[in-house]
Amino acid sequence: GAVVSQHPSRVICKSGTSVKIECRSLDFQATTMFWYRQFPKQSLMLMATSNEGSKATYEQGVEKDKFLINHASLTLSTLTVTSAHPEDSSFYICSASPHGDFQETQYFGPGTRLLVL
Amino acid sequence: DQQVKQNSPSLSVQEGRISILNCDYTNSMFDYFLWYKKYPAEGPTFLISISSIKDKNEDGRFTVFLNKSAKHLSLHIVPSQPGDSAVYFCAASDGGGADGLTFGKGTHLIIQP
Repeated sequence: GAVVSQHPSRVICKSGTSVKIECRSLDFQATTMFWYRQFPKQSLMLMATSNEGSKATYEQGVEKDKFLINHASLTLSTLTVTSAHPEDSSFYICSASPHGDFQETQYFGPGTRLLVL
Repeated sequence: DQQVKQNSPSLSVQEGRISILNCDYTNSMFDYFLWYKKYPAEGPTFLISISSIKDKNEDGRFTVFLNKSAKHLSLHIVPSQPGDSAVYFCAASDGGGADGLTFGKGTHLIIQP
């Protein structure tokens, strides 16, 4: 149980285009989903917290107009990288929490590799 | 199919004692392993990592051991402190750390005074 999927797993796009990444909780409802950007070998940077039916909460330094987050249902959150540039190339991971942001448990998706040419 | 498994959802340890968190993996292509620590309502923070060419990596109170033949790694915390109470995630990568991570489901460590 507690499976989280991401789609697509890999995407290559041209600079200036927008890319949408989906995060789905397959067998549970997630009131809260989290979006991370992975840096090589180490850290996961929390980008934003996505709450179903309300606006996302962005971490300091993350441009909310560039990284659009929509959490339209209890099983789906989307991250749209608008006007992507090569420096946005990274690995983006989502996680989902079945009990809200005060619950310690998070289930991670497999990640999406974004390459912007 | 879960490629990274943390079979203990929770672990309770007395302050000052050793905490041992375990992680098993099934993908023999994994060559880089990481441990993350997570407090409630925060994102995970990187704790310690190990490459598959090593069997031990130590950083202060934290030591990670890797047993490739058993596809098993463990995180040792000694001595355990109250601030160590958190959820610990094991993660693995097959790209030397440059590629994506596969996470376990976490172990909630509780340090008791």
